[in-house]
Amino acid sequence: AQSVSQHNHHVILSEAASLELGCNYSYGGTVNLFWYVQYPGQHLQLLLKYFSGDPLVKGIKGFEAEFIKSKFSFNLRKPSVQWSDTAEYFCAVNANQAGTALIFGKGTTLSVSS
Amino acid sequence: DSGVTQTPKHLITATGQRVTLRCSPRSGDLSVYWYQQSLDQGLQFLIQYYNGEERAKGNILERFSAQQFPDLHSELNLSSLELGDSALYFCASSVDSGSGNEQFFGPGTRLTVL
Repeated sequence: AQSVSQHNHHVILSEAASLELGCNYSYGGTVNLFWYVQYPGQHLQLLLKYFSGDPLVKGIKGFEAEFIKSKFSFNLRKPSVQWSDTAEYFCAVNANQAGTALIFGKGTTLSVSS
Repeated sequence: DSGVTQTPKHLITATGQRVTLRCSPRSGDLSVYWYQQSLDQGLQFLIQYYNGEERAKGNILERFSAQQFPDLHSELNLSSLELGDSALYFCASSVDSGSGNEQFFGPGTRLTVL
C-alpha cells in the first residue's frame, strides 16, 4: 500500500529563515505528488504539484519542491519564510494505477515568529 | 474560497446517532472525494464518487455511506456514531476522475460525538 512520511511534525523558524520540509513516499510506480497548505481556520489549498517533466517545481507564494525519484522524496522548500507562512503543510501522493484519491502524510506544523 | 461548499460547519451529536454531511462541488466538477481528518489518523481518504457513481473506496467504515446526486452534490452518512468518529470531514472535488487533477477542498465539517 502507498504511504507518505513527513519527517518533521513541528518546525519553528524565525522570519527570513530558510525552510525545507521532508516528504518521502512509498510506491514503486508512476506517481503524482502534491503539497497542500492549511492556514489556521481555512481549507486545504494546493501549493504545488508534480506530474512529470522538470523535477523542480515552483508553486505559489515562493514555494518550490524537488522530486528525487531515486530517493522517493518530494521535499518542500522556501528560501525565506514569512510570518504569514505559519500553517500546516501536507504532502500527498496519488499513484496513477491506484485510483485518484490522495494519500496524505501526517502533516507538518510550521510556526514562524516575527 | 475554493468553490466547494460543505454544510454544516459544526455538528455535535451523541453516540449511537446518525448524521448527514453535505457537499456541493465546484461548478463543473464531476468527481467528489470525502476525507476524514483526525488527530491520530491524519487525513484519510474515505470514498470517491464520479458523476453519480462510486469510483473508489478507502478506509471507510461499514457504518458510513455516501452518495452523489444527479445535481452532483454529495452526502456522507455516518450512523451508529462512536466517540472515535469525532473528526473533521472534508469534501474535495475535481474536474474528472483523472489521477493528475487537482482536488479542491471545502472548509470541512467538524463532527463532535459526545
